[in-house]
Order: sequence, then structure tokens, then C-alpha cells
Amino acid sequence: QVQLVESGGGVVQPGRSLRLSCAASGFTFSSYGMHWVRQAPGKGLEWVAVISYDGSNKYYADSVKGRFTISRDNSKNTLYLQMNSLRAEDTAVYYCAKVIGDYVFTDAFDIWGQGTMVTVSS
Amino acid sequence: EIVMTQSPATLSVSPGERATLSCRASQSVSSNLAWYQQKPGQAPRLLIYGASTRATGIPARFSGSGSGTEFTLTISSLQSEDFAVYYCQQYNNWPPCTFGGGTKVEIK
Repeated sequence: QVQLVESGGGVVQPGRSLRLSCAASGFTFSSYGMHWVRQAPGKGLEWVAVISYDGSNKYYADSVKGRFTISRDNSKNTLYLQMNSLRAEDTAVYYCAKVIGDYVFTDAFDIWGQGTMVTVSS
Repeated sequence: EIVMTQSPATLSVSPGERATLSCRASQSVSSNLAWYQQKPGQAPRLLIYGASTRATGIPARFSGSGSGTEFTLTISSLQSEDFAVYYCQQYNNWPPCTFGGGTKVEIK
């Protein structure tokens, strides 16, 4: 079935780096834009970044611009989020999400992963 | 950045009753509006997109309406499994796409 599985979360000190992965299955990964969305403990949803189906377009939230990098490997059906210079306020559950429509990225998110927790603390 | 405002923050409803949730955008988002349901410890689940189209597998008791800046999610007869937090999201003007702060639907 259609599935997204995140991994790579954990506890990291401020200023350090972490790379999240999102393994996709059950659909043609290379045809869909993909997003990262995060949720701080007890808070709402915050969009983080998006990458187009072919990796040619990437956009970021202002809160992570210059520190986070989204990428994808369509040969491995995997989405990534490289997080550098982590701050306490980056502590959250990070979800990857697929858009409904193929070959677009401005769309609703129909499939979400289960999330991976990132805790930034000394 | 478009600001999405949801009201009320908490809605107390008895099982079997109707629930009406509101979402307002700070500027027009056309019909590029989605609704998600989130239960504790779970990922969000898409309910409605295009303001009024139910996602695959979503029961008919969920309906969405509105366009421009005012949107509504209606749950016609609340079931026990519907008690959750609901978020609206605009995907018209971005980056960034933006979410509302959420409405918690709790048992009255």
C-alpha cells in the first residue's frame, strides 16, 4: 500500500546536524512533489520545505532557510531533510508528506508518514 | 504570508450532534483549502481538499464548503472516532503554505 516511513530523528545538541529520511513505497515516487511538515510538542502544524517531483525546485520556510536542505533520490524512492545549525526551537515531530496531484507541489497532502521526533537539547 | 484563523479553538459536542468548524484566510485562497484530522500520537489525515472534495475513504458525514476567505468543515453526526483536532491549510499563495491553529473537537 501507499506508505511513507521517516527515520533519522533523535536527540542532538544545539548547533549540531541531523539528516532525516523518508522512504516511499506503493506509488510512483518520482512523479510527486514532497514536503516536510513539523509539529512542536503540543503545538500546531508548521510547513518546513518542499521539493518538486524532479528535484529542480525547492522552497523553504523562513524559519529554516539557510540551515535546512531538502533533497530526494528518485532511484531510491527516498526524501531527505538535512538539518544544520539546529536550535532548541527546531524540536518537533517531523513528517514527510506527498501531494495529491502528480507533477505539482502546490496541492493538499494526501499521504503522511508517521513522523520522527527531533529533540534539540544540551 | 497568508494567515489562517480557525474558530472556535475548542468545540464541545455530544455524539450524534452536528459540528461546524470555521477557517478564515487573511486574503483570498480561492478554493485551494484543505482540512485535516489529527488524533493524539498520529499523523494528520486528509479529509477535504479543494475546499469541498472528500479525500479517498472519508465518510460522507464530513463536508466542506466555502471559497475565497471563509471556509467551513461540517461533521453532520459526530461519531466517537471523530473527536480529534482539525486543521485547515491553504495551498494557494505560497511559499509558505500555511495551516490554521486547529480546532479541538471534544466530547460534551
